[in-house]
Formats: sequence, C-alpha cells, structure tokens
Amino acid sequence: DAMVIQNPRYQVTQFGKPVTLSCSQTLNHNVMYWYQQKSSQAPKLLFHYYDKDFNNEADTPDNFQSRRPNTSFCFLDIRSPGLGDAAMYLCATSRVGQFTGELFFGEGSRLTVL
Amino acid sequence: SQQGEEDPQALSIQEGENATMNCSYKTSINNLQWYRQNSGRGLVHLILIRSNEREKHSGRLRVTLDTSKKSSSLLITASRAADTASYFCATPNFNKFYFGSGTKLNVKP
Repeated sequence: DAMVIQNPRYQVTQFGKPVTLSCSQTLNHNVMYWYQQKSSQAPKLLFHYYDKDFNNEADTPDNFQSRRPNTSFCFLDIRSPGLGDAAMYLCATSRVGQFTGELFFGEGSRLTVL
Repeated sequence: SQQGEEDPQALSIQEGENATMNCSYKTSINNLQWYRQNSGRGLVHLILIRSNEREKHSGRLRVTLDTSKKSSSLLITASRAADTASYFCATPNFNKFYFGSGTKLNVKP
C-alpha cells in the first residue's frame, strides 16, 4: 500500500499559471519534505516541515511556497511557473527524533511548463 | 552541490558482474543512507550505515563507510538487469537530507 501519495502524477501548466501539487502520508511522520529534481540531477531540497515549523532552504526561489494544514497533508504551490521550473517534484517523509531515520518518497509529480 | 559527489556518474556492466559506486560527503554525519531511483519514479531507501559502523550488508548489497575520508561505497554483487537504476547517497544533517549527484547504473542482460 502506498504510504506517501502525490497528486497529480503529471501536471501541465502554462507559463505563469499557478500550480499546486499535493502530498499525503499515512505514516504519521513528523517531517515532510519537498524536493525538486531535474533530468539526470540529484534531488534538490526546497523546504521541509518539522511538525508545523516551516524551514526554507536559502536558495529556494520565492516563487515556491508550501502549506501543511495537518500532519498528513502538505502542498507545494508554484505561484508563477517559468520554463526553468519544469521538473519532477518529490515529496518525502521521515520520522525524526533522537535518531534521524530514512526518507519515504512518493512517486513524484512531473511538471511541464508550456 | 548541497551534498557532495558520487562516482562514477554512469556505469554499464553485464548481468552477473559486480557494481561499485562511491560517494563523498562534506559534513560530519551520524549516518549515511543509500537510495535507488528507477526512471521516472520516486526514490527508495536501500540501506543505512551509522557513523560508528565500517561495513554493513543487506542481501546483495554491501556498504562501507570511512568517516576519516568522508566517503562511502555501495557494492551490488551478482547484478541483475532489474538493478538498472540511479543510485544516490544521502546524509542527514539535523532534519535535512542532502543527496549526492548519483550514479546511473545500466545492467545489460
């Protein structure tokens, strides 16, 4: 059974048209992450939530925002997508406490910008 | 990069051969993790090695860690065509996970 679910799997948008990607988890993990992955590159951390605390990476563009309304759900909002934002967006979760465990990933949302 | 480098960037071998990939990292760690990614899919956790461990095995996987050199290696023995994927190392830094550049493995049947 899928434990981290991302929707949609494929999203096509027009240049400048806002997009929202969603992620849900059944693992009850306290940390949720959003990564951006471009072709043949490593996943790049955009931001993460530790419980309700939002943590932005210094080089994440302002164009990217996130919401976590509850433990199970997290959203990635791209306010004005540009051609350079076309990528796979990966959501991941982890249980972090005394020991940092492994990441559990969803299958990703592939964004195309026309 | 946020993390470090992996080498080789790409590796092509025949089924049955062993595959070795290496990872270097920049910061001190309490553990290092290896992940696999099939084309167009999410990443899947393979194995975790703690900073006080030198070597760890899981099935056909063998991971080594040298904290003095800030490096790790992943060995896949008796490779199969189904092992074709990209492999990434990751080091947790507090709550954040940063990934190496990855090795793309192609196992030819």
